[in-house]
Amino acid sequence: GAGVSQSPSNKVTEKGKDVELRCDPISGHTALYWYRQSLGQGLEFLIYFQGNSAPDKSGLPSDRFSAERTGGSVSTLTIQRTQQEDSAVYLCASTSEGTGPGYEQYFGPGTRLTVT
Amino acid sequence: RKEVEQDPGPFNVPEGATVAFNCTYSNSASQSFFWYRQDCRKEPKLLMSVYSSGNEDGRFTAQLNRASQYISLLIRDSKLSDSATYLCVVISSGSARQLTFGSGTQLTVLP
Repeated sequence: GAGVSQSPSNKVTEKGKDVELRCDPISGHTALYWYRQSLGQGLEFLIYFQGNSAPDKSGLPSDRFSAERTGGSVSTLTIQRTQQEDSAVYLCASTSEGTGPGYEQYFGPGTRLTVT
Repeated sequence: RKEVEQDPGPFNVPEGATVAFNCTYSNSASQSFFWYRQDCRKEPKLLMSVYSSGNEDGRFTAQLNRASQYISLLIRDSKLSDSATYLCVVISSGSARQLTFGSGTQLTVLP
């Protein structure tokens, strides 16, 4: 079946511009995570959505970052006034928590963001 | 101290070798543990869960030591295709269920 999809796959933007990254989770998955991964680094947790609960935004690095999840499905991560240090791969993952063994995170292919 | 720490490597081993990675975690209340594999410029994928009693999946063995707060991954008879970065993942209780990823250990299996 269809996995997690993300768009765009690559994004090059100028410093100071806003960008929107999109994630389509696996249908029926209630939990959705955003991470970013800088070159050669591990995954940095950004935000977590679970069902209709208030999202856990504790990982967002600054108020320039925000995310929403509409209708419990598609999510967008918005970065305002991008900075060069925002350059990274942004990964989205979904999981079927609460509906089985759970916890296995299915990752999308990521969006490679480059801020020039 | 990082919540989850791994030796970044790289580990360069010949085909057929046995290699082991360790991962330590700081939160004693951590509940669940996993190993993920990430190929170069690809997304992470679940390799195996880590159970309290230890578990094996083919050439891969995972173990958990709660007292010392570490998990391990052993790869026997390593193959060229095992070359990847291995990420340790810990789930801790909190206000929301979060997974904490280690920075990964890079493995290269040499012919």
